[in-house]
Amino acid sequence: GQNIDQPTEMTATEGAIVQINCTYQTSGFNGLFWYQQHAGEAPTFLSYNVLDGLEEKGRFSSFLSRSKGYSYLLLKELQMKDSASYLCVLDNYGQNFVFGPGTRLSVLP
Amino acid sequence: GAVVSQHPSWVICKSGTSVKIECRSLDFQATTMFWYRQFPKQSLMLMATSNEGSKATYEQGVEKDKFLINHASLTLSTLTVTSAHPEDSSFYICSATGTGGVNEQFFGPGTRLTVL
Repeated sequence: GQNIDQPTEMTATEGAIVQINCTYQTSGFNGLFWYQQHAGEAPTFLSYNVLDGLEEKGRFSSFLSRSKGYSYLLLKELQMKDSASYLCVLDNYGQNFVFGPGTRLSVLP
Repeated sequence: GAVVSQHPSWVICKSGTSVKIECRSLDFQATTMFWYRQFPKQSLMLMATSNEGSKATYEQGVEKDKFLINHASLTLSTLTVTSAHPEDSSFYICSATGTGGVNEQFFGPGTRLTVL
């Protein structure tokens, strides 16, 4: 089976940097997604990592290490609108997608 | 980006009635559609995977006779909650994947179902 772990909640200050970690156990997968979800809304795509390493996209960066079973999402220059849940998702070669429990991030002024 | 719509966005029904939720891919052909359910403060839970023209594959613990899924075309999938009960009240989200590139899911806006 597959198992994904994320911290349940995190709090950070506006303008700061926060790193949301995701660890997983799986026998194989195609890639790893990060999604952002605001309360009552559908998830929105943030990043997709296939290869090990860091993918940078504006204020958001995502890192993957397959050997360590580890990924993280890095958010820089935090804004109040970044308060949301962040979902780590394994892509099983497009056949299905396994969602982590999500991390609720609260950005404080 | 690809657009997925859901209808209705919010529905309230009486216990024992059936509710149909539609999921449409508006500008691409969706080879696979997924149905998720999300309870408050929890992550998305996959209910079933459907491919056009074939029977849906349900996750363990999801009653296929209660949650009827029809995927009649490459742009439309429907989820019917039959004989709904208050415990079925939840946020139902569909997603679709296309035929090329990254296996990115495009999510619909979700349907909030409240069963009285």
